[in-house]
Amino acid sequence: KNQVEQSPQSLIILEGKNCTLQCNYTVSPFSNLRWYKQDTGRGPVSLTIMTFSENTKSNGRYTATLDADTKQSSLHITASQLSDSASYICVVSGDTGRRALTFGSGTRLQVQP
Amino acid sequence: GAGVSQSPSNKVTEKGKDVELRCDPISGHTALYWYRQSLGQGLEFLIYFQGNSAPDKSGLPSDRFSAERTGGSVSTLTIQRTQQEDSAVYLCASSTTVAKNIQYFGAGTRLSVL
Repeated sequence: KNQVEQSPQSLIILEGKNCTLQCNYTVSPFSNLRWYKQDTGRGPVSLTIMTFSENTKSNGRYTATLDADTKQSSLHITASQLSDSASYICVVSGDTGRRALTFGSGTRLQVQP
Repeated sequence: GAGVSQSPSNKVTEKGKDVELRCDPISGHTALYWYRQSLGQGLEFLIYFQGNSAPDKSGLPSDRFSAERTGGSVSTLTIQRTQQEDSAVYLCASSTTVAKNIQYFGAGTRLSVL
């Protein structure tokens, strides 16, 4: 069964600190992995997308890594800001089919001043 | 508009009533998806439309749920005889092609069934 597991479920950090969110998946075959940011009351917004051959991708203060061998990904947030408070969702695409996306339950990040 | 638009943003209804949720995708996007997000849960796929092809309805949880997409653009998700377990945020997403599958999400409709 295709699954995406994220950890931790929730995280509280102080403004300016770094943090790393984890994503483990069992989706096969694998096409790509993306991280979404979902602010409260809003729809998810794509942060990064990585294919099998990519092991790191950055988007500003967000850096995602992918280890396709161990089926693990991480999202590292540098110098956190209050606006980083949101849920971060890991999504794995098994193929290019229409129902291929498997969503994690997300990590709820709270950045405090 | 510039993004995916959903309406209403919030809907409170009584158990047993029917509700209609609307999604206006990004212009030119041929693929449209409906998802349900329950509190603390991941997104659950409901239904998918791609161009003029027959929709993939395999994610609909029961026959109380239906959706249509008129003219290849606006979509309506209908829930008949709502139940309390239908309470969730219903998200719509659209994308240009299935191959890229980069979906752009609307803000969702928060449905509360009392």
